[in-house]
Order: sequence, then C-alpha cells, then structure tokens
Amino acid sequence: EPEVTQTPSHQVTQMGQEVILRCVPISNHLYFYWYRQILGQKVEFLVSFYNNEISEKSEIFDDQFSVERPDGSNFTLKIRSTKLEDSAMYFCASRMGLAGVHEQFFGPGTRLTVL
Amino acid sequence: DQQVKQNSPSLSVQEGRISILNCDYTNSMFDYFLWYKKYPAEGPTFLISISSIKDKNEDGRFTVFLNKSAKHLSLHIVPSQPGDSAVYFCAASGQSGGSNYKLTFGKGTLLTVNP
Repeated sequence: EPEVTQTPSHQVTQMGQEVILRCVPISNHLYFYWYRQILGQKVEFLVSFYNNEISEKSEIFDDQFSVERPDGSNFTLKIRSTKLEDSAMYFCASRMGLAGVHEQFFGPGTRLTVL
Repeated sequence: DQQVKQNSPSLSVQEGRISILNCDYTNSMFDYFLWYKKYPAEGPTFLISISSIKDKNEDGRFTVFLNKSAKHLSLHIVPSQPGDSAVYFCAASGQSGGSNYKLTFGKGTLLTVNP
C-alpha cells in the first residue's frame, strides 16, 4: 500500500541553524501539507502546496519557513534559522486532490529538536 | 482558538465493550469530519470520515455519528480490542478556504482497551 515517507526521523540542530525536512508524498497525490505538533499540544496546520505553489499558510508559517517540490517526488520544508520553539514533530501529508475527497495521509513524522 | 474540541483527554474500556469518543466543533464552515488514530512515534493514520450531508458512517467496527445541530460527532468502536489502544484525533475541514481542505485537529483522546 502506498505511503508517505519522511526523513530524517529525528533531527537535532543548534539554534540559528538551517534545517531541511524531507517528505515523499504518495505518487498520484496532488496536494501536499506540513503540520507540526509541539509536545503536549494539538497537531497544527502549517502550509498546503498545490501545483508548485503555496495554496494556504498559517500564521505560524512566517518568513523563516519555506517549502519546495524540487523534483517529481520530494516535498521539503526548510526552516532558515531555527528557534528553540521550533522543536516539535513535523508531519507531512498528501491528498489525492479529487473534489470532495478530504482524506489526508500522513507520514511518520520528523522529530526536530533545537538546542 | 479551539475550533475542534475533544474534552476527554483519556478513556479506558474493557476489551469487547464499546468505546465512545466525542468531539465538538464551533466553526459552522466545517463540512467534513475525520478521525485519525495515532500510535507513539508514528504519524496519524486515517480511520473513518463523514460528510456533513450524512449523520452516520460505518466501517467494520467503527461508526461515526454526526449531529450537525449540536455541532457534535462521536466515534464508536465495537467491540473494542487491545490493539485499538492509541490516541484518537478528531479533525475537521471545510471548503471555505477553497479546495485546500486543511485539517483542524482536536487535542486527542488517549484510548486504553484493557484485556
């Protein structure tokens, strides 16, 4: 069964460093998403991506964040200068894109720890 | 801003009995609701969904009920099995933001099914 994959599973970085989190969505899906979950809190929407551009972003997704689909398979989230409060689980998700089909399929997540 | 609320952080049931997980929402623009199950160190796994035009959707042991007037939905698991022990997230989406269908999550309910 096709699944969303994410690498790395755990990333440790120093405050101020850049990180890139990688995702491979399900191959025939058209919409891609990043969510995050800070420990003990709810899963929060960050950004959605369709047709090679951002279709919606949340208030969390400020200028420090960017997303890219560099080739036909990868979908990346970059944080330019990490802060302590960026420590969280980051989940990538994808959706087929059919009208009326809301189900999103999530990857296993990347745990980002900012020291 | 708790647009989706799961007021019970935890629920414990005996194997074979019914588990009922509840969810309330406040945003009238939501028109699609999903339940996800999450094991530790894994991403959310889609379980079952319901459109606002329905009041019930059933899939095997899982049934979701929607009461639009009360802005309330519930997930019933019958019979409950120890393997069902996980965190269950209620999520909602709507077409108010176009076709992005971003998900808004509740905080989750930890279900423990005791043998």
